[in-house]
Amino acid sequence: DAGITQSPRHKVTETGTPVTLRCHQTENHRYMYWYRQDPGHGLRLIHYSYGVKDTDKGEVSDGYSVSRSKTEDFLLTLESATSSQTSVYFCAISPGQPMGTKETQYFGPGTRLLVL
Amino acid sequence: AQSVTQLDSHVSVSEGTPVLLRCNYSSSYSPSLFWYVQHPNKGLQLLLKYTSAATLVKGINGFEAEFKKSETSFHLTKPSAHMSDAAEYFCVVSARQRVGNNRKLIWGLGTSLAVNP
Repeated sequence: DAGITQSPRHKVTETGTPVTLRCHQTENHRYMYWYRQDPGHGLRLIHYSYGVKDTDKGEVSDGYSVSRSKTEDFLLTLESATSSQTSVYFCAISPGQPMGTKETQYFGPGTRLLVL
Repeated sequence: AQSVTQLDSHVSVSEGTPVLLRCNYSSSYSPSLFWYVQHPNKGLQLLLKYTSAATLVKGINGFEAEFKKSETSFHLTKPSAHMSDAAEYFCVVSARQRVGNNRKLIWGLGTSLAVNP
């Protein structure tokens, strides 16, 4: 299994509070991704990173920001959490792009976030 | 635009019988295709991938999938279901972004597989 950890694994927070989720990898992969998984929507990409300090938006980026100051860490921040951000969040990594085996993504165990 | 459709949201089979999970895709160029599996309350695990090599792709746990360009399909099969195969299965296509050369994965909504004793 790819060396990917996420922290925390579970979190309960209140509306309006900031929340930061951390993804840590030991594979030295260039690309890192944050997804959210919700019933009826499958996985949706929030943000991704293609290198240190290089990030781009996914399809559901509103209300989220990311940072990547080191190859191994990718942080997802909810500036002011809302109930609609209650979800399971997955981090993924891949060696590279654009074609072939390098684009295969490997996933972390997920973080369950409940916003009350 | 690239898209992926999983034709069945739920599939139920008996243990020991074949499994067929259907996936159609839409892509304006030769895609990369993947199947992932997610067991209850677990993360996502790569089952297999097609990246323009052999059209019949073998994966883990006895699963395989066949890329059929003429039918734009990438169905997942297994000859004999096991109880441990009960999970959610996702078909995924790799899509080129509008800007630059970065590619992202487009996810199907998933097929829930139940295996009955």
